[in-house]
Amino acid sequence: KNEVEQSPQNLTAQEGEFITINCSYSVGISALHWLQQHPGGGIVSLFMLSSGKKKHGRLIATINIQEKHSSLHITASHPRDSAVYICAVRDYGGSQGNLIFGKGTKLSVKP
Amino acid sequence: NAGVTQTPKFQVLKTGQSMTLQCAQDMNHEYMSWYRQDPGMGLRLIHYSVGAGITDQGEVPNGYNVSRSTTEDFPLRLLSAAPSQTSVYFCATTYYREGLHEQYFGPGTRLTVT
Repeated sequence: KNEVEQSPQNLTAQEGEFITINCSYSVGISALHWLQQHPGGGIVSLFMLSSGKKKHGRLIATINIQEKHSSLHITASHPRDSAVYICAVRDYGGSQGNLIFGKGTKLSVKP
Repeated sequence: NAGVTQTPKFQVLKTGQSMTLQCAQDMNHEYMSWYRQDPGMGLRLIHYSVGAGITDQGEVPNGYNVSRSTTEDFPLRLLSAAPSQTSVYFCATTYYREGLHEQYFGPGTRLTVT
């Protein structure tokens, strides 16, 4: 059983649509990260959350610790948002610096 | 700051060859780690280091060695390359602040073993 599950695996949207990507996890965590990876590119950290909600531009990330669930929202999506979005959690029980990753959600935004 | 740098960007090896993937950082972060990324799977931890002179195994350490003689450098060595090691390799650093961890990734090394 994967400790970090993301849904959907693939997502196609039209430009301007509101997008939600979900992440559920099964371990106790100290933090949750949302990462972005463009095709052939490196990995960039978008958000780090331990509670509540964070907003950066058109991106919003929320986390519900009790339900072990996080969502990444993109408002007014744009083709440049096309990327793989990865959820990763920092496990309380593991080494403090290491992450457990989901398999990613591949987002394609059509103009 | 260059952040986290990795060399080479691309590499093709024959089965049985050895090589070293280089990782360097200029942020003075104590914590460094190596991950591999394979299609259909999440990133998996190979080895990590909590500081110079200290390394430990992650989830998939077999076939790889690491050392950490300085804070800046964390090379990953493939002892005898196998086709199963064909993957994209990412080096990362972790910075602890205000109770949470900031994560920084290198640009990746795409390795093909034939």
